[in-house]
Amino acid sequence: ETGVTQSPTHLIKTRGQQVTLRCSSQSGHNTVSWYQQALGQGPQFIFQYYREEENGRGNFPPRFSGLQFPNYSSELNVNALELDDSALYLCASSSGRNSYEQYFGPGTRLTVT
Amino acid sequence: AQRVTQPEKLLSVFKGAPVELKCNYSYSGSPELFWYVQYSRQRLQLLLRHISRESIKGFTADLNKGETSFHLKKPFAQEEDSAMYYCALRDAGGTSYGKLTFGQGTILTVHP
Repeated sequence: ETGVTQSPTHLIKTRGQQVTLRCSSQSGHNTVSWYQQALGQGPQFIFQYYREEENGRGNFPPRFSGLQFPNYSSELNVNALELDDSALYLCASSSGRNSYEQYFGPGTRLTVT
Repeated sequence: AQRVTQPEKLLSVFKGAPVELKCNYSYSGSPELFWYVQYSRQRLQLLLRHISRESIKGFTADLNKGETSFHLKKPFAQEEDSAMYYCALRDAGGTSYGKLTFGQGTILTVHP
């Protein structure tokens, strides 16, 4: 069984740029959730994708967008990066949108300068 | 709006001592509560959920709706319990089942 993987591990971007983060869900999982974790804080829910459709969104502006592909992998896109977007971005997959257990990836550390 | 509060950022105990990590929540719907744990250099993972009412690695947690609390307890702490612990809530009756609301986390250190 393959766990959740995320790429890249780290990246540095400049304010105003755009970034794409990637996530491969655990084998057999059709639901992916994305979280932002600022330093010293708990993860904050960005949105969830279930069978390629957005299924719930947290309090994040539209410049945070996502995609889920037929193989259930997912992308998080952030446009017009701001300094406050610097954080660890976590992806979590689950076996269904109602499944209580989410399996987390190792995260992507984004630094915006 | 749902909110989870973990009042202690850091908690230190000695091996064999009891430990209690506090979690309070505010939510008007039907909350489902969880404890997630992150050991050093490992991923965030589910420790336990209130519905299962089971003991995992010696830890238990009881949902107290009157006090809106879900404290995590272990009678005899072990050094391998040292980790970051997050309390989390989700709306069991809403439409965004996948949305977990996390507390800020408590770093537990168990000294030998």
